This record gives sequence, structure tokens and C-alpha cells, in this order.
Amino acid sequence: DQQVKQNSPSLSVQEGRISILNCDYTNSMFDYFLWYKKYPAEGPTFLISISSIKDKNEDGRFTVFLNKSAKHLSLHIVPSQPGDSAVYFCAASGESTGNQFYFGTGTSLTVIP
Amino acid sequence: NAGVMQNPRHLVRRRGQEARLRCSPMKGHSHVYWYRQLPEEGLKFMVYLQKENIIDESGMPKERFSAEFPKEGPSILRIQQVVRGDSAAYFCASSLLTGTGELFFGEGSRLTVL
Repeated sequence: DQQVKQNSPSLSVQEGRISILNCDYTNSMFDYFLWYKKYPAEGPTFLISISSIKDKNEDGRFTVFLNKSAKHLSLHIVPSQPGDSAVYFCAASGESTGNQFYFGTGTSLTVIP
Repeated sequence: NAGVMQNPRHLVRRRGQEARLRCSPMKGHSHVYWYRQLPEEGLKFMVYLQKENIIDESGMPKERFSAEFPKEGPSILRIQQVVRGDSAAYFCASSLLTGTGELFFGEGSRLTVL
């Protein structure tokens, strides 16, 4: 029962262009969403988050957009850099869902120099 | 100012042996989560613990797996009678706040079952 889905296992983007990573969720009770970045043989590291009272949160080159009606969020990276090449996980949680963090299956981003 | 510490980083066990994975959360964090990442898959929730309490173990297999987070010392994920399918990376994460705070992850423990 995958409550958070990332339907694109991989994405390749030219350096300097925009990377858009997508995430869908099924549980309308989620009210907090996060993106994590993971390099091989390392643990995931927190990137950016958004609560359900907002529809956009920006931090430098990274922007997360939330569309609650569509149960969809996306991460935009502009401009993409080779060091952004990693696996990106989206995650969702909420006090009314037992405070678990539910993760998607990840999207492997490759930024081509 | 240490982060989440997991050990061992790599563990090799033969089928039928026991594996014990340890996790020390960040200082001040009382919420600990264990996740498993199988090859080519995402992070699967296993168990959520607070000090001396298992809050949610819905993601943990009913048999052979157990977890604890004692009042003193690290959280332990224990796998008895390991099988080849248990080979995976096991990640521990801790948080200060529940549900709406960040999760801070350790570097993971990679279990290989021969």
C-alpha cells in the first residue's frame, strides 16, 4: 500500500536546465511534506519541506510546489548542477496519520554536464 | 554535535544467524524511526519508537524482527534467523518533533546475508 508515489524512477537533465521531480500521495490527511536527497552509500539528507497551509516554498535553487486538490507535489531545481545528481525521495506525514513519515520510491536524477 | 550514528556500517551474516543493528539518535531527539531499503526500491517504514515505547511497528515483519529503544543507550533493531531476503540497507532516523519536524538520517547499516 504505497501512499506516496514517485512514478518516474529516473530523470536526466542538461546542466543549467530545470529539473522537475514529481510526487503523488493518496492520503488527504497528510499535512507535511519533505524532499530528501540521497547519494550512494550515504543516508538521505533533508532538502526542503512544505506544510499544507502553503502551496510553495523556496530555498535557493530548490522550490517545492504543493497542489492539495490534486494530491501532488513537485520539486524544481533551477539551474541544475552536476552535483545535484542523486536519488530524490519525497515524504509525507501528519499528526492524524500516526506521525509516520511515508516515503516514495525515489527518482534518480542525473545532471549531464 | 554528532548526527545520527549507526553501527555497524556493514554486517555480514550467514543464514540462521542473528543481526543486531544499533542507532544513536541526535542529541535531544527522542523519536527514532527505522527504515529498510531493498535493492532498487525506496525507503520502507519499519518501526517508530520513543524512549522505552514502540509507537508504531506496522511496517515490521511479524516474525524474526524486533526493535527497542531503551531509556539508556541506543535503539536496537534485531533480526533473528536471518534469511537472504533480509539483505538490505537499514536506515535509522531521529526527530525532535513528531510528524512535522525533519527526520535526520544516519548513514545506514548494510546487511548482507550469505
